[in-house]
Amino acid sequence: GDSVTQMEGPVTLSEEAFLTINCTYTATGYPSLFWYVQYPGEGLQLLLKATKADDKGSNKGFEATYRKETTSFHLEKGSVQVSDSAVYFCALSDQAGTALIFGKGTTLSVSS
Amino acid sequence: DTAVSQTPKYLVTQMGNDKSIKCEQNLGHDTMYWYKQDSKKFLKIMFSYNNKELIINETVPNRFSPKSPDKAHLNLHINSLELGDSAVYFCASSQGRAPSYEQYFGPGTRLTVT
Repeated sequence: GDSVTQMEGPVTLSEEAFLTINCTYTATGYPSLFWYVQYPGEGLQLLLKATKADDKGSNKGFEATYRKETTSFHLEKGSVQVSDSAVYFCALSDQAGTALIFGKGTTLSVSS
Repeated sequence: DTAVSQTPKYLVTQMGNDKSIKCEQNLGHDTMYWYKQDSKKFLKIMFSYNNKELIINETVPNRFSPKSPDKAHLNLHINSLELGDSAVYFCASSQGRAPSYEQYFGPGTRLTVT
């Protein structure tokens, strides 16, 4: 079945450091790909998405490119802030659009 | 205005009890979902409803019964609660069933079974 694998955390960075969180997927067909973020004690918020190969999603300085050849959707940010500390989830939407399939989440902690 | 709301936010109860969690969305969406987040933060789909009809029922014990009285509401009733049911339950909604539609999540309900 469809699945998402993302790098284990926690990831600990200093403010203004470069961030990469790796995400790869296994799916039949051409899923849509998402990054969601969960701040402490809150629900999930969509960070960015890409719906077809070579699409780049971007939001709040974060970017991810849908790479079909490597089945990857890595999240990057050039300069992280303390306020970026959260849990980041990579997800794909199954072909029927009936559910999101999530990776296990990566905890990011940014210190000043 | 809150887009997807859930009540209660916290629920502490004893084993064997029956409880319900309510979810409402004011986005005019057709599709609603329940997800379970375990203690390791892993999220898994439980149910998916489209226009009040069940379209996904993952391997969830039949003690869990979703009910959708209308398109804006999807409630989750749990019978005979067990310790393993302790988790955070998230309701979500989307505009439709197309894979490209994003899902909007509620704030979650933290269920603790003692």
